[in-house]
Amino acid sequence: KQEVTQIPAALSVPEGENLVLNCSFTDSAIYNLQWFRQDPGKGLTSLLLIQSSQREQTSGRLNASLDKSSGRSTLYIAASQPGDSATYLCAERLDRPGTASKLTFGTGTRLQVTL
Amino acid sequence: EAQVTQNPRYLITVTGKKLTVTCSQNMNHEYMSWYRQDPGLGLRQIYYSMNVEVTDKGDVPEGYKVSRKEKRNFPLILESPSPNQTSLYFCASRLTASSYGYTFGSGTRLTVV
Repeated sequence: KQEVTQIPAALSVPEGENLVLNCSFTDSAIYNLQWFRQDPGKGLTSLLLIQSSQREQTSGRLNASLDKSSGRSTLYIAASQPGDSATYLCAERLDRPGTASKLTFGTGTRLQVTL
Repeated sequence: EAQVTQNPRYLITVTGKKLTVTCSQNMNHEYMSWYRQDPGLGLRQIYYSMNVEVTDKGDVPEGYKVSRKEKRNFPLILESPSPNQTSLYFCASRLTASSYGYTFGSGTRLTVV
């Protein structure tokens, strides 16, 4: 059974710091990996998607990397801002028959950026 | 605006009283899915639909039903809700099963007492 783990569960950093969020997955037959942001009481917003053939993707201050061999992905946030405070979720989509395009989510990292 | 719309946003109900959570998307997406989110467990897939009249179970389908009579709508039905179905529910869609990006609804917070 595939598992996706995110550590730490919660993180608090002062404004301006660079930070890294971690995501580990057990099944290396990955099709892609997505990072989402979830604000309290809101749905999920897709931030970055990395295909299995890619090593990283960048969008503004965000950079996501993928290492299939070690089963890890990281989300790097540069120059953090209070508006970055949210829960960040990673989700793995497998490239296996029978998985029917399902996403398997981690439990998330709750980030708080303080003034 | 392209979006996935869920209703209601909040619902408190009693054990055993049938309810339906609606989900509608305006993007002509073929693939739709329901997830529930619980503390410590993350999001888990309940049911999904590859296209009209094609539905299948996800990881936690017990106690739920779905239907896909039209491409835009994918309602989630709880025939006899129980307290362990208290959760935050999300509907999501994407263009096809093999497409990359998901669009999520804003969620429905259900409490069963």
